[in-house]
Amino acid sequence: DAGVIQSPRHEVTEMGQEVTLRCKPISGHDYLFWYRQTMMRGLELLIYFNNNVPIDDSGMPEDRFSAKMPNASFSTLKIQPSEPRDSAVYFCASSLSGRVLYEQYFGPGTRLTVT
Amino acid sequence: AQSVTQLDSQVPVFEEAPVELRCNYSSSVSVYLFWYVQYPNQGLQLLLKYLSGSTLVKGINGFEAEFNKSQTSFHLRKPSVHISDTAEYFCAVSGRDYKLSFGAGTTVTVRA
Repeated sequence: DAGVIQSPRHEVTEMGQEVTLRCKPISGHDYLFWYRQTMMRGLELLIYFNNNVPIDDSGMPEDRFSAKMPNASFSTLKIQPSEPRDSAVYFCASSLSGRVLYEQYFGPGTRLTVT
Repeated sequence: AQSVTQLDSQVPVFEEAPVELRCNYSSSVSVYLFWYVQYPNQGLQLLLKYLSGSTLVKGINGFEAEFNKSQTSFHLRKPSVHISDTAEYFCAVSGRDYKLSFGAGTTVTVRA
């Protein structure tokens, strides 16, 4: 399997622009997680989905952030408008029912820089 | 809610020496504990996990960890490190809600 695929790997954008991060989970996995990693706050869970339905979005920092999962093989995390403090590495992870507690497979991450 | 404290932010160590990374957690309920490794410019990879049963857990790459409920600790150890173990290590805790809470990370630098 190709593992969790994220695109782009790097994104540089100007403040105020819309940013869309993409994730393809491992085929057959029914849980998908979005995390953010910063020096100040470490790794934080933003939102997770089960069977394409958002289950917990309490980690989403504010209304500028939104996430969707239109089908089992694709998810997006959108920031609109972006701000410099959104600069971070964003990880997507996927897992399978029954094993989600201990087998989350992480993608390589998207490094976002907002200038 | 659960939280994790990693007591060392940086650990330099010589090749073939042992290493211990310390992790303490706080939780009011039963927890599941994990160690992840992040190599430069890569995502996180699960090293080992404690769900229940034996308190000594063995993982990949020769790592092991011991769950100590009375001290609320889950320290990671390796008896002999290699240059390739240079990475950042994260301790994490989860309850039954599938939400992982990570520590701040420990950077291990192995020197020849």
